[in-house]
Amino acid sequence: QKEVEQNSGPLSVPEGAIASLNCTYSDRGSQSFFWYRQYSGKSPELIMFIYSNGDKEDGRFTAQLNKASQYVSLLIRDSQPSDSATYLCAVSGGGADGLTFGKGTHLIIQP
Amino acid sequence: KAGVTQTPRYLIKTRGQQVTLSCSPISGHRSVSWYQQTPGQGLQFLFEYFSETQRNKGNFPGRFSGRQFSNSRSEMNVSTLELGDSALYLCASSFPDSTDTQYFGPGTRLTVL
Repeated sequence: QKEVEQNSGPLSVPEGAIASLNCTYSDRGSQSFFWYRQYSGKSPELIMFIYSNGDKEDGRFTAQLNKASQYVSLLIRDSQPSDSATYLCAVSGGGADGLTFGKGTHLIIQP
Repeated sequence: KAGVTQTPRYLIKTRGQQVTLSCSPISGHRSVSWYQQTPGQGLQFLFEYFSETQRNKGNFPGRFSGRQFSNSRSEMNVSTLELGDSALYLCASSFPDSTDTQYFGPGTRLTVL
């Protein structure tokens, strides 16, 4: 049974600070890793994907992957109140087994 | 490019009825996956279709079924509805390639009374 673990939060971060979201996964064969943002009452929106060990940056967002430790993280720099949402970590083993999601971390950016 | 569309957006049904949900993927995407999201269980994989064939199925009872048409549009059906089927049903489309990058539609909110 593949598992993806996230701290449910809420994680409260002051506006302008760096928000750090973490995720661990159980399946060592996992190949693709995704971060989705979900606002209340809305569907998940893809923010970042990462496939290789190391860091990947896109604007204010940086995804970090460490396959040896089975650990994925998302950093949000210069956090804005509009970043307040639930962040879902998802993992894929490749092929057609679907994405395995964590339960999500509720992030609150305090003005 | 238009995103994933799902219809209807909201549904209210009673126990024992059946329901059909529809999903149109992003143009050029040939794979459609379905997920159920509930507050208690989070997002759970239902099944995936590619080229009109179900490639994989999650751990859901046989009351949940789906199909895909030649234009990649997909439908899912839930028969003999139970109260516990109340959820947000999400469709996601992908190219597909080895990365399995999926883009979600707005979802269908199903309420079973």
